[in-house]
Amino acid sequence: RKEVEQDPGPFNVPEGATVAFNCTYSNSASQSFFWYRQDCRKEPKLLMSVYSSGNEDGRFTAQLNRASQYISLLIRDSKLSDSATYLCVVNTLTDYKLSFGAGTTVTVRA
Amino acid sequence: DTAVSQTPKYLVTQMGNDKSIKCEQNLGHDTMYWYKQDSKKFLKIMFSYNNKELIINETVPNRFSPKSPDKAHLNLHINSLELGDSAVYFCASSRRQGNEQFFGPGTRLTVL
Repeated sequence: RKEVEQDPGPFNVPEGATVAFNCTYSNSASQSFFWYRQDCRKEPKLLMSVYSSGNEDGRFTAQLNRASQYISLLIRDSKLSDSATYLCVVNTLTDYKLSFGAGTTVTVRA
Repeated sequence: DTAVSQTPKYLVTQMGNDKSIKCEQNLGHDTMYWYKQDSKKFLKIMFSYNNKELIINETVPNRFSPKSPDKAHLNLHINSLELGDSAVYFCASSRRQGNEQFFGPGTRLTVL
């Protein structure tokens, strides 16, 4: 079983729509969680950290469910510029490795 | 004022050659990493250094040898290149182990 699993998508949504997707992780000892964004042929960039109580950054909302071992990302009022691959990243502090999911592709159409 | 930089950006070479990729960060971070992203887009950790000390060494062929001359630099040398080494190699850094990481622009390696 992979350490971090994501629905690869693609999620094709119209501008202005809301899109949400999850990521599951296998190690219950995982302590920190992040969402990264990767545009085609570019490097991953940190979108937001995910906190236990959930957090929001503009149109982006991240949630953590420790009991079911998943994190989610919700994008409201989608923009064309939100088209990218979103990488779920989990850190187990025992070995300080970040484990990356394979990514969820989102395409926002006009 | 690039935070994490890598050179070269593109590298095309023949099988059997030896090549190096350089990485530098000006963020003052303690920890640096090398990742490999293959054609399936899966990003996999290869090595990590903390204050010039190797702390993560995943199952990577010993043809790959990282070197950290100081905590702002982490280079990757690859001997006897093989077709399967073709991928994008990303360098990253973080303030400390376990913190969020900042990535360089990547080096696209093609082995012919």
